[in-house]
Amino acid sequence: SQTIHQWPATLVQPVGSPLSLECTVEGTSNPNLYWYRQAAGRGLQLLFYSVGIGQISSEVPQNLSASRPQDRQFILSSKKLLLSDSGFYLCAWRRQGDSPLHFGNGTRLTVT
Amino acid sequence: SQQGEEDPQALSIQEGENATMNCSYKTSINNLQWYRQNSGRGLVHLILIRSNEREKHSGRLRVTLDTSKKSSSLLITASRAADTASYFCATSPANFGNEKLTFGTGTRLTIIP
Repeated sequence: SQTIHQWPATLVQPVGSPLSLECTVEGTSNPNLYWYRQAAGRGLQLLFYSVGIGQISSEVPQNLSASRPQDRQFILSSKKLLLSDSGFYLCAWRRQGDSPLHFGNGTRLTVT
Repeated sequence: SQQGEEDPQALSIQEGENATMNCSYKTSINNLQWYRQNSGRGLVHLILIRSNEREKHSGRLRVTLDTSKKSSSLLITASRAADTASYFCATSPANFGNEKLTFGTGTRLTIIP
């Protein structure tokens, strides 16, 4: 069966510090991978998605970036965090085609 | 940007009653999906309906899709306290293949025991 791992679960970082959130998927190959952000009590904002190694589509131009160094690894990064980067970050995967998304448990990031 | 918008934003009903949530979207779609999120957790997929389908059932869930009105509804019958959660619709825009999936703003459902 397929599983998705996302870590850390919570993170408190000062403004201006770097960020690296990692997500890995097991039990499937060539998945589509996604990063979403959810502000408190709000909907999900699509940040990045990837249909293959090294292929990243960016939805929101900001100080975040994503990389996919391996087939089942998706990394969200920032060189310098802003207060507005606080939120709940969710990684997800799906098979090719119109299949459902499978989400990780999320990372709650607080930038202070 | 948000493709979908759920209505109402919040809904409170008594246990045993039916709950109906609506989703409106802006552009043509390949499919529409409904997800559930318990507080502080990841989302869980409930049901997918394709653009050429009008109605779909799964257990106590019934989803309808009206592509002419660009809207969908999710009906939960015989609600239970465990149904308390936020519910989101997600759409796959037709001009993006199936890779891109954008979510609405969600409906917060509270079931009163």
